[in-house]
Amino acid sequence: EPEVTQTPSHQVTQMGQEVILRCVPISNHLYFYWYRQILGQKVEFLVSFYNNEISEKSEIFDDQFSVERPDGSNFTLKIRSTKLEDSAMYFCASGQGPEAFFGQGTRLTVV
Amino acid sequence: GQNIDQPTEMTATEGAIVQINCTYQTSGFNGLFWYQQHAGEAPTFLSYNVLDGLEEKGRFSSFLSRSKGYSYLLLKELQMKDSASYLCAVREGTQAGTALIFGKGTTLSVSS
Repeated sequence: EPEVTQTPSHQVTQMGQEVILRCVPISNHLYFYWYRQILGQKVEFLVSFYNNEISEKSEIFDDQFSVERPDGSNFTLKIRSTKLEDSAMYFCASGQGPEAFFGQGTRLTVV
Repeated sequence: GQNIDQPTEMTATEGAIVQINCTYQTSGFNGLFWYQQHAGEAPTFLSYNVLDGLEEKGRFSSFLSRSKGYSYLLLKELQMKDSASYLCAVREGTQAGTALIFGKGTTLSVSS
């Protein structure tokens, strides 16, 4: 069964450093998303991407965040200058209809 | 504003039936979703309702009443592996690729 894959599974970075989280969505899907979940809290929407552009973003997705689809298979989330409060599980998701299918996540720890 | 409410915790025994309720107040509505999330893992899609009524999928069923802003997830013949968080989520936007707004989730513990 096709699945969304994310790398790395864990990332530890120093405050102020840039990180890139990588995702390979399911191949025939058209909609791509990033969500995050701070430990013990609810899943929060960051951004959605369709037709090679951002279709919606939340207040969390400020100028420190960016997304790219550099080729036909990868979808990346970049955080330019990480803060302690960026520590969370970051989930990539994709879909071709109303449902979104989630990857296993990247646990980002900012120290 | 957006508000999605679910009970924080529920407990049940193997073989039983449990109903997890969700109420929502959102500025728009384009579908209600239920996801299962085991600790430390990704949310897994369970069901989707956009019209009023009951959707059945094996041991799991989901119900929606748009006029009441209410949904429930019904789990039958509970198994130990059903111990997980169950997340209610609403899509507000009119297009398929818009955000899912999640509730805080209901942690279900199934005991033998």
